[in-house]
Amino acid sequence: KNQVEQSPQSLIILEGKNCTLQCNYTVSPFSNLRWYKQDTGRGPVSLTIMTFSENTKSNGRYTATLDADTKQSSLHITASQLSDSASYICVVSPNTGNQFYFGTGTSLTVIP
Amino acid sequence: DAGVIQSPRHEVTEMGQEVTLRCKPISGHNSLFWYRQTMMRGLELLIYFNNNVPIDDSGMPEDRFSAKMPNASFSTLKIQPSEPRDSAVYFCASSPVGGGVGNEQFFGPGTRLTVL
Repeated sequence: KNQVEQSPQSLIILEGKNCTLQCNYTVSPFSNLRWYKQDTGRGPVSLTIMTFSENTKSNGRYTATLDADTKQSSLHITASQLSDSASYICVVSPNTGNQFYFGTGTSLTVIP
Repeated sequence: DAGVIQSPRHEVTEMGQEVTLRCKPISGHNSLFWYRQTMMRGLELLIYFNNNVPIDDSGMPEDRFSAKMPNASFSTLKIQPSEPRDSAVYFCASSPVGGGVGNEQFFGPGTRLTVL
């Protein structure tokens, strides 16, 4: 069964600290994995997309890693800011059919 | 560009009433997606269109839900009759490249639906 699981479900960190969010998936055959950031009351916004051959991709203070062998991805946030408070959603697409699979997200709260 | 536009932003209705949600995708985008988001289930894809044609509606929960895309700049999601369990935030998203669901999608602000 194709699934995407994210951990932790929620996280609270102090401003300026780093954090890492996890995404494990069983989707196969794998095509790509995307991380979205969703601010409260708004639609998700894409942060990064990674294909099978990519191990790391950065977008400013956000760095995503992918291990296609273990089917794991992480999103690392460096020097967190209050504006990083949001839900982070992992989405995995197979290379067959027209489906994609969403994780339930990690809710991140950055406090001063 | 104004981005994906959805209306209304909030809708409160009574059980049994018809609800119509509207979406205007980004100009030039070929694909349009309708999602539902709840605390319990997260984001769920309901249906998506490619070049105005419905490609996959397997996520539509029941026959009470229907979606149309009469032209490249407009889509509707209708619920008739509505039920309290339909309460959720409904997102519309569009993608600039047709056919591939893995391509980047640009989301609208969502419509928060409450069915009493």
